[in-house]
Amino acid sequence: DVKVTQSSRYLVKRTGEKVFLECVQDMDHENMFWYRQDPGLGLRLIYFSYDVKMKEKGDIPEGYSVSREKKERFSLILESASTNQTSMYLCASSLNRNIQYFGAGTRLSVL
Amino acid sequence: QKEVEQNSGPLSVPEGAIASLNCTYSDRGSQSFFWYRQYSGKSPELIMSIYSNGDKEDGRFTAQLNKASQYVSLLIRDSQPSDSATYLCAVLSGSARQLTFGSGTQLTVLP
Repeated sequence: DVKVTQSSRYLVKRTGEKVFLECVQDMDHENMFWYRQDPGLGLRLIYFSYDVKMKEKGDIPEGYSVSREKKERFSLILESASTNQTSMYLCASSLNRNIQYFGAGTRLSVL
Repeated sequence: QKEVEQNSGPLSVPEGAIASLNCTYSDRGSQSFFWYRQYSGKSPELIMSIYSNGDKEDGRFTAQLNKASQYVSLLIRDSQPSDSATYLCAVLSGSARQLTFGSGTQLTVLP
């Protein structure tokens, strides 16, 4: 079974803090994705990566950056957290251009 | 204009009935289509994928694809209260690596 692991289920941070969300997949998938999900707005793509050290902006990259130093790990970074970044963050991975498998999600609250 | 459209619902059906969920998409070059189920507070999980016109059945679930009319649907037969969830339609367009998600349809199966 594909396993996508997100490092934290719940996080509480203060405005202005630097926040790291980590995601690890164990299936040697080339593609990895970061989404945020908010009520009424659905799933929105923040960034994705199709290879090590490669990244592409999604629909809402502002305020975020990513890092992919190893194939299995994709990190989402909030350089200076703001209250409007309070959300559910979902990581996903896929092989080729196929099915995406999701992690359990990280619910981030920025106070 | 949203690229993948779903009725947001909520859709309510009695236990044992057929639930019909619909999704339309705008990109005629779309090649792969997916249905995800998401329980409240959980991450999306894949329940069906379909790549060619026609029907694809898996247990109580049937996915239907009509590329000429640019719609994909999901039928759930003998609906159970445990099917109550939000169902997300996702489309892989052209040469894209990332999925485009609809906003989801909330389904409630009444005992």
